[in-house]
Amino acid sequence: RKEVEQDPGPFNVPEGATVAFNCTYSNSASQSFFWYRQDCRKEPKLLMSVYSSGNEDGRFTAQLNRASQYISLLIRDSKLSDSATYLCVVNMGARADKLIFGTGTRLQVFP
Amino acid sequence: DADVTQTPRNRITKTGKRIMLECSQTKGHDRMYWYRQDPGLGLRLIYYSFDVKDINKGEISDGYSVSRQAQAKFSLSLESAIPNQTALYFCATSEDRVRNEQFFGPGTRLTVL
Repeated sequence: RKEVEQDPGPFNVPEGATVAFNCTYSNSASQSFFWYRQDCRKEPKLLMSVYSSGNEDGRFTAQLNRASQYISLLIRDSKLSDSATYLCVVNMGARADKLIFGTGTRLQVFP
Repeated sequence: DADVTQTPRNRITKTGKRIMLECSQTKGHDRMYWYRQDPGLGLRLIYYSFDVKDINKGEISDGYSVSRQAQAKFSLSLESAIPNQTALYFCATSEDRVRNEQFFGPGTRLTVL
């Protein structure tokens, strides 16, 4: 089983749609979680951290379910500029010093 | 100016050549990381460093070496490049010792012929 698993997509949605991505992780001891965004051939950029109580940043909402070991990202009112690959990232390692990256979910928003 | 810079941005080389990729940061972070990214695979950790005297292997360190010359500089070397080291290489930095949020450089696209 992969340490972090994501549906690769692609998710093709019209502008204005709501879309949700899920991610599962294998290590129940993981302490911190993130969503990164990566545009084609560019570096990953931190989109948002994921907190136990859930958190929201504008049109983006992240949720964590520790019991089921999954993380979700909800994007409301999708924009063309949201088209990218979204990476689910989990902090693991004996010293909580290693980020494990999912392979990413590709989102394409069309007009 | 970018906080994390990488040089070169693109490099084509031949099998057996020694290559050095450089990373510099102005964020003042202690922790630095080297990753590679291949199509269909997630980012994989090559080496990481918590300070100039603390260097650790990641999951795919074979064929690579690193040097932490200063807090701001972390170099990755391929002693004898081979074609399956063709990939996109990213450097990252982190300050937060608890959550480990990382910030990435723009990447180096390396092709080994």
